[in-house]
Amino acid sequence: DSGVTQTPKHLITATGQRVTLRCSPRSGDLSVYWYQQSLDQGLQFLIQYYNGEERAKGNILERFSAQQFPDLHSELNLSSLELGDSALYFCASSPWGSGANVLTFGAGSRLTVL
Amino acid sequence: ILNVEQSPQSLHVQEGDSTNFTCSFPSSNFYALHWYRWETAKSPEALFVMTLNGDEKKKGRISATLNTKEGYSYLYIKGSQPEDSATYLCALNTGNQFYFGTGTSLTVIP
Repeated sequence: DSGVTQTPKHLITATGQRVTLRCSPRSGDLSVYWYQQSLDQGLQFLIQYYNGEERAKGNILERFSAQQFPDLHSELNLSSLELGDSALYFCASSPWGSGANVLTFGAGSRLTVL
Repeated sequence: ILNVEQSPQSLHVQEGDSTNFTCSFPSSNFYALHWYRWETAKSPEALFVMTLNGDEKKKGRISATLNTKEGYSYLYIKGSQPEDSATYLCALNTGNQFYFGTGTSLTVIP
C-alpha cells in the first residue's frame, strides 16, 4: 500500500456520461498529480494541484476538470465521455509542489467507456 | 511537451543475465531524473532520483547512472531474476513538471 488511495478501481460507463475519480494523497503530501495512461502510450500528465491551488496543466481536455479540496483530496471530473477516454487514470502525490519531489502513485482507476 | 525516450521498448533476458536500458532526455530542461519500477497490476514505485551529472545510485542488484550534459541515464540490472520482470519508467523532472518516457518492459525468463 503506497498510501495514495484512488477510487473507484474500475468503472464502466457509456459515451456521453460523466464520472468522477477520487484521490486521497499520502499523509503529509501537499501536491497531487493526475496522469492518464492509454493503450500503448506512456503516462500523460493531466494536471497538478499544490495545497489546493492549480500548479501546472498538461494535456487535459476541456471536458475534464479537477480540483483539490481543503483536506487535500482531489477529484478528476470527466464529462461527455468518448470511447477514446478509456484509460487507466493514475493519481500521484508528493510532499511539495516543485523541486526534486518523488511521486508516490496510487493503484489507478481503470475507466472503460462503451 | 518535452520528449523523453526510452530504449529498448521491450526486452527478454534469461535468468542470471545482466541487462541495461537507456533513458534520453533534453538536457536543457533538467532538474532531476527519476526511475520508477512498474509491475503488472500495481502502481509505479520510485527506484532512484538523481540530480547531479555523474550521479550513480544503487539498490541491490539495480543501479543507475546519469549524464546531464549529453542527456541520458542508464539503468543496469545485474543477474536478472524473474521478480525483476516489470516496466521500468524514467521521468524527467524540470522542477515544475514530470515528463515520463514510455518505459522499457523487461521479462526475465526462468
